[in-house]
Amino acid sequence: AQSVAQPEDQVNVAEGNPLTVKCTYSVSGNPYLFWYVQYPNRGLQFLLKYITGDNLVKGSYGFEAEFNKSQTSFHLKKPSALVSDSALYFCAVRADPPRVNYGGSQGNLIFGKGTKLSVKP
Amino acid sequence: DSGVTQTPKHLITATGQRVTLRCSPRSGDLSVYWYQQSLDQGLQFLIHYYNGEERAKGNILERFSAQQFPDLHSELNLSSLELGDSALYFCASSVVPGGLDTQYFGPGTRLTVL
Repeated sequence: AQSVAQPEDQVNVAEGNPLTVKCTYSVSGNPYLFWYVQYPNRGLQFLLKYITGDNLVKGSYGFEAEFNKSQTSFHLKKPSALVSDSALYFCAVRADPPRVNYGGSQGNLIFGKGTKLSVKP
Repeated sequence: DSGVTQTPKHLITATGQRVTLRCSPRSGDLSVYWYQQSLDQGLQFLIHYYNGEERAKGNILERFSAQQFPDLHSELNLSSLELGDSALYFCASSVVPGGLDTQYFGPGTRLTVL
């Protein structure tokens, strides 16, 4: 079964410093990985995804994620944190690999428990 | 703004009651997913519809049901509500179910059962 783990409940960073939010995954087959962010009282916003190709994926708001197959990790990074980046971050994996005919395919996402990022001025 | 709309934004009801949550997917998206977010269970997949047909079920209770209508909007029906059903309910939409496209989430409906 596919799963993701976010080992840190909270990450604290000073504004202007680089940030990393960790995610490890367990999948059978090729991994399809996603990062979402949730601001207070808001829905989840898509940041980026890894499907195939370059191990460094660039996303919205200056975020990027590094896919590491040998370490089964997909850590979210940003070179310089902003106070406005403070939010809850979720790593997710597809329930199963995509199929050509889509029949019976479970495209739902399996989420980690989330990591609260706090950026202080 | 993701383009996915959900109504109502907030819902307060009593135990034993029934409620209906509504979701309108992004224009052109055929797939709708429902998720529940609670403090103890985190974000959990409930059910998936594609072009009007149920495609997959997750941790959805028998008291809960959903459907997707010909205009592609979806409704999640929760009945015989219990205190533990209090949660944030999200829907997400995507173009196709088995592809590599992104799921875009609505703002959610916060359900409080008293």
